[in-house]
Amino acid sequence: AQSVTQLDSQVPVFEEAPVELRCNYSSSVSVYLFWYVQYPNQGLQLLLKYLSGSTLVKGINGFEAEFNKSQTSFHLRKPSVHISDTAEYFCAVTQGNSGYSTLTFGKGTMLLVSP
Amino acid sequence: DTGVSQNPRHKITKRGQNVTFRCDPISEHNRLYWYRQTLGQGPEFLTYFQNEAQLEKSRLLSDRFSAERPKGSFSTLEIQRTEQGDSAMYLCASSSRGGQGSDTQYFGPGTRLTVL
Repeated sequence: AQSVTQLDSQVPVFEEAPVELRCNYSSSVSVYLFWYVQYPNQGLQLLLKYLSGSTLVKGINGFEAEFNKSQTSFHLRKPSVHISDTAEYFCAVTQGNSGYSTLTFGKGTMLLVSP
Repeated sequence: DTGVSQNPRHKITKRGQNVTFRCDPISEHNRLYWYRQTLGQGPEFLTYFQNEAQLEKSRLLSDRFSAERPKGSFSTLEIQRTEQGDSAMYLCASSSRGGQGSDTQYFGPGTRLTVL
């Protein structure tokens, strides 16, 4: 079984400051990892994904994440946040190299950007 | 590519009524997933279709929940005899098999159900 832990339920940050949203996972098999963003009353939008290869993954809106297998982490970072980045961020894991896989999500981290 | 669409966006119903939600996936995607998201939680998986076949339904929450994808295109999720605990956002996602066996899911805007 897989699980995802997002260590912070809320992260307040000032505009133009850097931010890191933490994600740890557990799995007995190889995994694919994803970050999704959800704006109020909307569905989830894919930010970035790790399948294999380079452990540093770049996504949309200036976000990036680094896969660390030894620490079973996939933390999301942005060097300078904007007010419009205020949203809920979900880390998700799925089993790698399978016919299909359902996503297992963390509970989410609310990023609150203030001026 | 018009994205995944879901209808209605909001549904308010009284306890005991039946409700049905529709999901239209991205046109070339043969895989379709339903998830439920309650307040303060991440989405949880409910069921999965590949084309018209429902390959995983053990995670449907009770026998009051059912889903169909009759022609392998759109899908419906029905909840019979709704209960207040069914109030949640119901999300649909679609995907197609990608490189390395990957399966990137793209989500619709969701249907928010409120049971009074």
